[in-house]
Amino acid sequence: NAGVTQTPKFRILKIGQSMTLQCTQDMNHNYMYWYRQDPGMGLKLIYYSVGAGITDKGEVPNGYNVSRSTTEDFPLRLELAAPSQTSVYFCASSSGGAFTGELFFGEGSRLTVL
Amino acid sequence: QKEVEQNSGPLSVPEGAIASLNCTYSDRGSQSFFWYRQYSGKSPELIMFIYSNGDKEDGRFTAQLNKASQYVSLLIRDSQPSDSATYLCAVNNNDMRFGAGTRLTVKP
Repeated sequence: NAGVTQTPKFRILKIGQSMTLQCTQDMNHNYMYWYRQDPGMGLKLIYYSVGAGITDKGEVPNGYNVSRSTTEDFPLRLELAAPSQTSVYFCASSSGGAFTGELFFGEGSRLTVL
Repeated sequence: QKEVEQNSGPLSVPEGAIASLNCTYSDRGSQSFFWYRQYSGKSPELIMFIYSNGDKEDGRFTAQLNKASQYVSLLIRDSQPSDSATYLCAVNNNDMRFGAGTRLTVKP
């Protein structure tokens, strides 16, 4: 099993550009999450989903959008990129209840906005 | 505001020693507690979780929880250089909040 797969691993954006970070999991997990991690900071929850068609905001959702059309995929859309969105983004998934069990993380996507 | 606080370190211990990592949290309703290890440039991976007050042991790792004091810790016995990483404390109460992590260095 591949687990949680994120693409791209690295990306440089110009201010105002848009892009989508892709996330796919093959573990049939209902729950999926997007976190960002800034240097010296903890992981901050951007959005999460408890199943196909259901998404909800986390702690830092501004400037991002998500969709969950299938159980496997949970893309994160950045609109009008800003330098403050420079970060490492992690997608994660879990089984059981939301946030109640082990989170399985992808390898991360490092985004730089210049 | 739900906060999870950790000493950022770096914490340096000699090989074979016990490393003690601490975490405090502000939300008394928190229900479950997790320790993740993150090697530099890698994604976090779960080491241990604990739900009840007291100690939980798994090999060289022991998690300790004191809900009255809102305190959770991780002890690593017989520390190895391969344990050198950042350790993230995570607390669950309808969402998952992470601390900033403690960087541990184990010196040969």
